[in-house]
Amino acid sequence: DTEVTQTPKHLVMGMTNKKSLKCEQHMGHRAMYWYKQKAKKPPELMFVYSYEKLSINESVPSRFSPECPNSSLLNLHLHALQPEDSALYLCASSLQVWNSPLHFGNGTRLTVT
Amino acid sequence: AQSVTQLDSQVPVFEEAPVELRCNYSSSVSVYLFWYVQYPNQGLQLLLKYLSGSTLVESINGFEAEFNKSQTSFHLRKPSVHISDTAEYFCAVSSSGGSNYKLTFGKGTLLTVNP
Repeated sequence: DTEVTQTPKHLVMGMTNKKSLKCEQHMGHRAMYWYKQKAKKPPELMFVYSYEKLSINESVPSRFSPECPNSSLLNLHLHALQPEDSALYLCASSLQVWNSPLHFGNGTRLTVT
Repeated sequence: AQSVTQLDSQVPVFEEAPVELRCNYSSSVSVYLFWYVQYPNQGLQLLLKYLSGSTLVESINGFEAEFNKSQTSFHLRKPSVHISDTAEYFCAVSSSGGSNYKLTFGKGTLLTVNP
């Protein structure tokens, strides 16, 4: 069982929809991350939050909007996505940014139609 | 800048055979090294890590990896694999000093264990 919980597990959305991905951890970690993973590829970093503040945005298109309401929660708001955005979206957390191992959730499998 | 090279994209082996998954890295500063495993339809799980100290690190399920600074390698080994070890394995590196702490992943090695 993973200690990082992501919902939903699967999501199908049209290009005009607005949806949100959610991530939760209760390990007291102060760094949280969003990654995007395409099939047979390694995860690609999208965003990093440290102490609830956005510290890294890897030039992600504005149709992806992250939010960190508190130290346990991380959201990714989606709007006007493209079919090429279909992927596995992984959330991760660590004690502090980068200096300790990342704990990953099982991801949300997103399909954009 | 740091980088990770996983030399084999796929490694097929028979059950109970030994296996080695190769990983080389480059970095201008001291590093932390990790192996993550990803089973089908799941996220990544930390398999083992090298942060400091003993250069040989072991996991609870029989895998081990050795940090070799002179060869800039962190190869993953298991003396006898099981069908359940079939998965994608990612080697990753982050810098332990300087301004670039970002975790960099290799492209992954698909280990397939056949009966």
